Amino acid sequence: EAQVTQNPRYLITVTGKKLTVTCSQNMNHEYMSWYRQDPGLGLRQIYYSMNVEVTDKGDVPEGYKVSRKEKRNFPLILESPSPNQTSLYFCASSSLLRGLASSDTQYFGPGTRLTVL
Amino acid sequence: ILNVEQSPQSLHVQEGDSTNFTCSFPSSNFYALHWYRWETAKSPEALFVMTLNGDEKKKGRISATLNTKEGYSYLYIKGSQPEDSATYLCAPRNTGGFKTIFGAGTRLFVKA
Repeated sequence: EAQVTQNPRYLITVTGKKLTVTCSQNMNHEYMSWYRQDPGLGLRQIYYSMNVEVTDKGDVPEGYKVSRKEKRNFPLILESPSPNQTSLYFCASSSLLRGLASSDTQYFGPGTRLTVL
Repeated sequence: ILNVEQSPQSLHVQEGDSTNFTCSFPSSNFYALHWYRWETAKSPEALFVMTLNGDEKKKGRISATLNTKEGYSYLYIKGSQPEDSATYLCAPRNTGGFKTIFGAGTRLFVKA
């Protein structure tokens, strides 16, 4: 079954304790992306990747890191989480047609609910 | 693409009503527009992708139109049902890069 998986699904942590949220897709997609969803603000892109070792900032990258060492995986790293990073996080992937992700749709993971105390 | 607006922010309708909402975006360098449906406690799922001015797409009771010259898309739901209750997101794409910017969404509530 084609899918995007995220782990953990729920996490409660404390300020400053490094954490990683994993994301994996089995569709051989080139494009992967992380979003956060906050009430009234919709989905905001944190980081995205066009392929292995190619990543770039989205609209809200501060406080986050990513890596893309393998095509299927795109972990999100919070080196020193703070309470303002409490949010619902989604990973998504899509193929890249003709070098631009314009015509393809994104497939979303189930989401990770993060609470930073 | 810097500014994507969706209206209304939320909408309450009765079962059987038809409804529509708007996604507005800058028309310059337009490439494609995606609509997603996002049910509570689930993940967003793709509804339509539209690329050409005048495009119309339909899936059951849901349809969408696209005007790339003036920078808007309409999503229509005919005969709304309670299972249509969800947030509807649009995400226009331009030719300038790989960022994705979503509108804030229209939250639809359909009362039985």
